[in-house]
Amino acid sequence: DTEVTQTPKHLVMGMTNKKSLKCEQHMGHRAMYWYKQKAKKPPELMFVYSYEKLSINESVPSRFSPECPNSSLLNLHLHALQPEDSALYLCASSYDRSYEQYFGPGTRLTVT
Amino acid sequence: SQKIEQNSEALNIQEGKTATLTCNYTNYSPAYLQWYRQDPGRGPVFLLLIRENEKEKRKERLKVTFDTTLKQSLFHITASQPADSATYLCALDILNTGNQFYFGTGTSLTVIP
Repeated sequence: DTEVTQTPKHLVMGMTNKKSLKCEQHMGHRAMYWYKQKAKKPPELMFVYSYEKLSINESVPSRFSPECPNSSLLNLHLHALQPEDSALYLCASSYDRSYEQYFGPGTRLTVT
Repeated sequence: SQKIEQNSEALNIQEGKTATLTCNYTNYSPAYLQWYRQDPGRGPVFLLLIRENEKEKRKERLKVTFDTTLKQSLFHITASQPADSATYLCALDILNTGNQFYFGTGTSLTVIP
């Protein structure tokens, strides 16, 4: 199984809502990532978990809160987002850092 | 900050020709360089990884070179097909900044039948 799954596929939320994005992989990978991608731009790294510990936080606003409950799951908790946070949010995993990454299909987030 | 530029935003080539995409970077010395393909509305798909001590890597119709002196990687698709039309992204894994990972600006390739 070389698949990374993400739910939901689409999410529309107001600026006062709290929601969560979920990501799951069953490849035994030890590194998991969250990226943000705006239209016609490359993905931008937000967070990296390595062995279930947060190892990189790219100065992301605190309204984004990552969580890694176990080695197969990755969540991104969203609270008080702004319209400019609307984007495609991608999850990825890799065997370890510096290995190829497998990406999920993404969650298309719209903040109204 | 790391700057990774890919040769052009869009590249059109005739079917059967070789497409050559360029990735140039500044400042840091990456340990690895990777190439990904991304189709509209989908996540990137890994294609090739090349390490700093490797000059060239091949996989079927794909070839990547890595010149750490020029700070440049070239990505070639030979005998291109319309199905190769997509956005291609290079990505750098930079060990001396805590394993940061940065994508290049991307090149949208269109193969014309």
